[in-house]
This record gives sequence, C-alpha cells and structure tokens, in this order.
Amino acid sequence: DQQVKQNSPSLSVQEGRISILNCDYTNSMFDYFLWYKKYPAEGPTFLISISSIKDKNEDGRFTVFLNKSAKHLSLHIVPSQPGDSAVYFCAASENYGGATNKLIFGTGTLLAVQP
Amino acid sequence: KAGVTQTPRYLIKTRGQQVTLSCSPISGHRSVSWYQQTPGQGLQFLFEYFSETQRNKGNFPGRFSGRQFSNSRSEMNVSTLELGDSALYLCASSPLTGTGGDGYTFGSGTRLTVV
Repeated sequence: DQQVKQNSPSLSVQEGRISILNCDYTNSMFDYFLWYKKYPAEGPTFLISISSIKDKNEDGRFTVFLNKSAKHLSLHIVPSQPGDSAVYFCAASENYGGATNKLIFGTGTLLAVQP
Repeated sequence: KAGVTQTPRYLIKTRGQQVTLSCSPISGHRSVSWYQQTPGQGLQFLFEYFSETQRNKGNFPGRFSGRQFSNSRSEMNVSTLELGDSALYLCASSPLTGTGGDGYTFGSGTRLTVV
C-alpha cells in the first residue's frame, strides 16, 4: 500500500506564479516530512523539511505546510522560476530520533515552469 | 568536499546474472541507505547500514542484499536478476541514523538495465 501519495503526476505553472505541490499520507506515526527535488540523471536533493509538531516551515521561496488532521502536506514555491522545473518527491519518516533513516517516498510530481 | 559516489553509473546485465553496485559515502558519514526508483513507483527503500550493521530492510526479496565496510563504503548485490529489477538504484549517506532524513545526501545513482 502506498503510505505517501502524490496524486498529481505533473503540474505546469507560469514563471513568476505560485507552484503548489500536494502530498497525502496514511500513516499517523509519521513524525517528519521532507521534500526533495530531482533533475534527470541526478540524485534527489533536499529542499525543505517539517516536523510533525509544526504546521509551517519557510525557507526563501519555499514553504511547506502540514495539516495533520487531514494527513496532508503541501509545498509552495513563490515565485516559480524555470530552474525549478524538476520532479518533486514528498517523503516521510516515522523514526525521527530513533534507530533508522528509512524514508517513505511518494511517486513524485513533475513540475514544469513555463517562461 | 566530495559527494556520494556510486559506481558504475550504467550497467546492462542479462536475466539470471548477478550484479554488485558500490556506494562511497561522504567522508565521515556512517549511515548508507539504498533505494530503488522505478517509473510510477517513486523511491522504494531497500536497506540501511550504519556502522557496518543493517539497521532496517525494505520489502524486497532475499535476492537483494547489502553490506557495509569499516570505511563506511557500501555495496548492494542482486542475484538471479529479473527484468523487473531494471531501475535506478540510489544510495544516500548521512552522518548519523535516526535523523528523519536530515543530512541525507544522495548519489547520482546506478542505472541498471536487465535484458
């Protein structure tokens, strides 16, 4: 079963506008969430994270929102730039501070920012 | 500083053969995790090694195995290859374990094609 779901395989946005990428999860034991960006032929790179005790975390143009009651998180990119075009993965951990680094990833959303 | 190095970058193998992939983590990192990426499935956790001990294992058959050496370098092995094993295999290193994915740095991956 897919514990982390990204239901939109792709998203197209105009340069300068807001990009909103969504992620849903089913496991209430997840206590840490992350977003990664991946370009073709490269490994994923870390973007931003959020602990389950918070509902928002901001880093420059990137903001992640967490709604625990809805088991939903979203990544906002404002303003969007052509260089943001990549696949974005949502990931979750249920063992923060524990004995493993195992992450559960979503299937990814391909963001295309049009100039 | 050098990043995570995975070798080889590309590999073509025949069904039934076995393959060994290598991952050299960032210097000082003691945790190495392996993921399989296939189209439509996102990244699936294979296993994590920390200080030469397997900390966690994903839901993969016993044909998938790994190990970690005293210098933190890790190898994963897949025996009796099947067509469905064709994927991008990613390795991620981290200074510690139990960090929820913080500090994860991914390599560029090994693209395995089974024919």
